[in-house]
Amino acid sequence: AQKVTQAQTEISVVEKEDVTLDCVYETRDTTYYLFWYKQPPSGELVFLIRRNSFDEQNEISGRYSWNFQKSTSSFNFTITASQVVDSAVYFCALSEARSSASKIIFGSGTRLSIRP
Amino acid sequence: SAVISQKPSRDICQRGTSLTIQCQVDSQVTMMFWYRQQPGQSLTLIATANQGSEATYESGFVIDKFPISRPNLTFSTLTVSNMSPEDSSIYLCSVVGREADKGTQYFGPGTRLTVL
Repeated sequence: AQKVTQAQTEISVVEKEDVTLDCVYETRDTTYYLFWYKQPPSGELVFLIRRNSFDEQNEISGRYSWNFQKSTSSFNFTITASQVVDSAVYFCALSEARSSASKIIFGSGTRLSIRP
Repeated sequence: SAVISQKPSRDICQRGTSLTIQCQVDSQVTMMFWYRQQPGQSLTLIATANQGSEATYESGFVIDKFPISRPNLTFSTLTVSNMSPEDSSIYLCSVVGREADKGTQYFGPGTRLTVL
């Protein structure tokens, strides 16, 4: 069975600090996708990144970076120099990659608060 | 990615009534998904809606409670029937991306439902 664990329920940091959100996953599939989504207070779910299971290269996009390690089944997300606008709930998610009909399994989310 | 809209954005309903939520996409998509997010919780898939066929429901969700229509490739509705306070949630529709982006789901802005 597939499972995504986000052990950090809430994180609060002061603006400009770096913060890492942890994500650990379980799957028996050899081919799968990992995702991060952001849900600001307005409620919409914003797609941030998708990573294929065969691509372990880390990715950087501006202040955001992602570290994918198959050996530890982890897909962690780091925000550098955090800003108040980064305050949101962040979800890590997993789906099998065999078809576009695959449902996404979401973690429980990490609520990130950035204090000015 | 596709532009997805939902109506209504929010509603307050009385116990025992029904509410129909609309999801409109600006391009034709084969599959649409409906999720529920209960307060403070993660997202749970309700059903997958294909055009021209019956929706496929996840365990714990039944058609009598959550009937879904998919009349064409750009539109779907989810009805929450005979509502109770436990149905108070955010309801989100999603679609898969196109071509190389097929493994990713993009979400509408959500419908925030409160049942009194």
